[in-house]
Amino acid sequence: NAGVTQTPKFRILKIGQSMTLQCTQDMNHNYMYWYRQDPGMGLKLIYYSVGAGITDKGEVPNGYNVSRSTTEDFPLRLELAAPSQTSVYFCASRPGQLNTGELFFGEGSRLTVL
Amino acid sequence: DQQVKQNSPSLSVQEGRISILNCDYTNSMFDYFLWYKKYPAEGPTFLISISSIKDKNEDGRFTVFLNKSAKHLSLHIVPSQPGDSAVYFCAATGGADGLTFGKGTHLIIQP
Repeated sequence: NAGVTQTPKFRILKIGQSMTLQCTQDMNHNYMYWYRQDPGMGLKLIYYSVGAGITDKGEVPNGYNVSRSTTEDFPLRLELAAPSQTSVYFCASRPGQLNTGELFFGEGSRLTVL
Repeated sequence: DQQVKQNSPSLSVQEGRISILNCDYTNSMFDYFLWYKKYPAEGPTFLISISSIKDKNEDGRFTVFLNKSAKHLSLHIVPSQPGDSAVYFCAATGGADGLTFGKGTHLIIQP
């Protein structure tokens, strides 16, 4: 089982460029999340989705957009990249209504904006 | 305003001894508390959790203790092994919108 798959693993962007981080999961999970982790910091929630067609903002949504057209995919779009968006991005998912907190994470996408 | 705090950025423990990682929180509405383990260049992986209605949960070498009156939880690893060297994140949840994470503690197991 692949679990949660993120692409690309590494990317360097120039200031002002745009890109999409892809995330797909094969566990039929309804809930999906995007986090970012800055050096020496915990993970901060960017956006989340409770099912296809439904998305909501997390703690740090500015500069990002998401969509959820299918259960499997939850892409994160960066518009007009800025150096402050240099970070490691993690996609995660979980099943079910009861939130016990157990998330399944992808391996991460390291983004550098120069 | 940090709702979940891990005040020790790093901890060094000798192999075979007990490792104790600490976490404090401020939000009394959290339902579940969790510990995640993270190796370099990998995503976090779930380690152990505890419901807010319990005070202890044990899984093999790992035990989590919750003290609600002090808003404090701790993770005990005994005995510590070299493969336990990783960053440990304390996290908490209270709704659909994912987890609130601490900054992490880097555990180093010395041979």
